[in-house]
Amino acid sequence: DQQVKQNSPSLSVQEGRISILNCDYTNSMFDYFLWYKKYPAEGPTFLISISSIKDKNEDGRFTVFLNKSAKHLSLHIVPSQPGDSAVYFCAASASGGSNYKLTFGKGTLLTVNP
Amino acid sequence: EAQVTQNPRYLITVTGKKLTVTCSQNMNHEYMSWYRQDPGLGLRQIYYSMNVEVTDKGDVPEGYKVSRKEKRNFPLILESPSPNQTSLYFCASSLSPLGYNEQFFGPGTRLTVL
Repeated sequence: DQQVKQNSPSLSVQEGRISILNCDYTNSMFDYFLWYKKYPAEGPTFLISISSIKDKNEDGRFTVFLNKSAKHLSLHIVPSQPGDSAVYFCAASASGGSNYKLTFGKGTLLTVNP
Repeated sequence: EAQVTQNPRYLITVTGKKLTVTCSQNMNHEYMSWYRQDPGLGLRQIYYSMNVEVTDKGDVPEGYKVSRKEKRNFPLILESPSPNQTSLYFCASSLSPLGYNEQFFGPGTRLTVL
């Protein structure tokens, strides 16, 4: 059962435009969400996160929006740059209980065209 | 430099030949974890460790063993590798297991089991 879903395997945008990457989750116990970026031949690196007590978190060109009622979050990149081309993973965790796992989605390959 | 290191980076082996992938972090992190990345499946957690001598199964632990005798090291052991364990493996660490703590990933180990 896939608890974190990234339904778009790939996304292509023009440089300077907005990139919107989407993520849906099914586990209502998830209360913290993170986005990781991964370049080829490297490990994932942390990008931005959001707690369930917020609905928006912004860091420079990156903004994450959380809609708890829809169990949906999205990552906005504005403006997109060619260096943003990478695989983006959405991840979620539940702070309660004894299960300290981070559950990842399958990833979305973002290509930003010059 | 704060980092997570893995060795080897690339390994080709044969079915049944025991192997160990080492992981070490220099950030004094309590929490360490192993993931595998497969096409179309994203990142899946194999095992994690809350601290020295404390380990627990992730989502796909079958065929793997781990140990945590020292805080900095978290080796992944394949006692009898099989072709379905051909994958890209990542070790990660974070300050604590709580979900809001950023996980730092190693560069990855690409394993091929013939």
